[in-house]
Amino acid sequence: QKEVEQNSGPLSVPEGAIASLNCTYSDRVSQSFFWYRQYSGKSPELIMSIYSNGDKEDGRFTAQLNKASQYVSLLIRDSQPSDSATYLCAVMSDAGKSTFGDGTTLTVKP
Amino acid sequence: EAGVVQSPRYKIIEKKQPVAFWCNPISGHNTLYWYLQNLGQGPELLIRYENEEAVDDSQLPKDRFSAERLKGVDSTLKIQPAELGDSAVYLCASSSRRLGGEQYFGPGTRLTVT
Repeated sequence: QKEVEQNSGPLSVPEGAIASLNCTYSDRVSQSFFWYRQYSGKSPELIMSIYSNGDKEDGRFTAQLNKASQYVSLLIRDSQPSDSATYLCAVMSDAGKSTFGDGTTLTVKP
Repeated sequence: EAGVVQSPRYKIIEKKQPVAFWCNPISGHNTLYWYLQNLGQGPELLIRYENEEAVDDSQLPKDRFSAERLKGVDSTLKIQPAELGDSAVYLCASSSRRLGGEQYFGPGTRLTVT
C-alpha cells in the first residue's frame, strides 16, 4: 500500500461543473497537506495548503481535511478547460518528510 | 521574487557517463529537495537538505548518486555512472518550515540516458 493514495483517473467533468479530487494517506502523524497542479511537461505548482481539520477556500478551490479518516480532498468549482491537468496530493510529517501521491488526471470538457 | 532555478533543462547522455544537475533555491528557503519523477508518477524524494545538512537521503542510491549543498544555498546532484533506468525528470524544490513548508519547484531537468 502506498503512503499516499489517489485515484489515477482520468476524471472528466464538463465545463462549469464541480471536480472532486480525493486523497488518502497512511501516516497518522502527518501534519501538513498540500495540493499541486501539474500541466503536461511542466513542474508541479502549489495550489493550496491545509493544516487543520475542516475546509479551506481559495477562489474556486476548496481543500477539505479529515485527519480522523486520514482523508484530504480538493474541490474545484466552475471547472474550466484550463484546469485540465494532473493534481498531486502531498503529505508532510511533523519531521518534515514529504510524500506525494501519483496524481489524478483531470480533463474539463468545453 | 525569483523562483527555483535549475540547469540544465535537458540532458542526453550515453549510459555509463556522468551527469550533474544544479539547483538554486528561492532566497531564504532553508529546505531544499531533490526529486525524481517518472511519467505517470508523483515526485519521489531523493534527498532533503535542511540548510547544508542532508537530513533524509534514505532513498538516494548512494552507489551512483551523490549530492551536496555547500554553504546551505545552491545544490548539485550527480549521477556516476548513469544507467538507462535513470532516464526521468529531476526536480528541485525549496521551502521554508517557518512559512508552512509549502514547496516550490524548479522547472526540472529531463534526463535521457541512451
